[in-house]
Amino acid sequence: AQSVTQPDIHITVSEGASLELRCNYSYGATPYLFWYVQSPGQGLQLLLKYFSGDTLVQGIKGFEAEFKRSQSSFNLRKPSVHWSDAAEYFCAVMDNYGQNFVFGPGTRLSVLP
Amino acid sequence: GAVVSQHPSRVICKSGTSVKIECRSLDFQATTMFWYRQFPKKSLMLMATSNEGSKATYEQGVEKDKFLINHASLTLSTLTVTSAHPEDSSFYICSASPGGLSNQPQHFGDGTRLSIL
Repeated sequence: AQSVTQPDIHITVSEGASLELRCNYSYGATPYLFWYVQSPGQGLQLLLKYFSGDTLVQGIKGFEAEFKRSQSSFNLRKPSVHWSDAAEYFCAVMDNYGQNFVFGPGTRLSVLP
Repeated sequence: GAVVSQHPSRVICKSGTSVKIECRSLDFQATTMFWYRQFPKKSLMLMATSNEGSKATYEQGVEKDKFLINHASLTLSTLTVTSAHPEDSSFYICSASPGGLSNQPQHFGDGTRLSIL
């Protein structure tokens, strides 16, 4: 079964600074990979997903993520963080059958003014 | 795009009552629905997987008699928390999937905040 780790529990960045949230997965084949954002008390919003093809994926709200097979990673990046980006971010992996969706533990992002 | 509707968004009730949460897929047939529970500042924990017309599959440690799941149609799954107690207070999120070799990720509802007094 696949698994996901997000090494950083909490990250604080200043508004306008760049951001990278780490995600590593364990799976025998190339999985489907996702990043979700959750604002306090809210559901999940899909930022971006990777199924195949170009390993650099563009998402909403100016986010992008890069799939690196050699590192089993799918890190999320944003060149300039806005205060409204403060939230919890979850990386997730799904197997090739469209099932067994597994979330990482999440990374809480705080943004300093 | 595909949308999953979850209702209610928030419920507060007394200890001992039963609470039903609905999860509907609005524009696709959800062969499979998933129920998650999220504790404060924690990740989502899969509780159970339900397939339309068959019994739900519960994850280890989840009481099936406590959390009743019914997936009666291809667009509706319900989670009933029976005889709820304060320790059942949590954020519950459902997810729906067309299933099979789908090119779409699971679609999530907006969650239900359950508070048991």
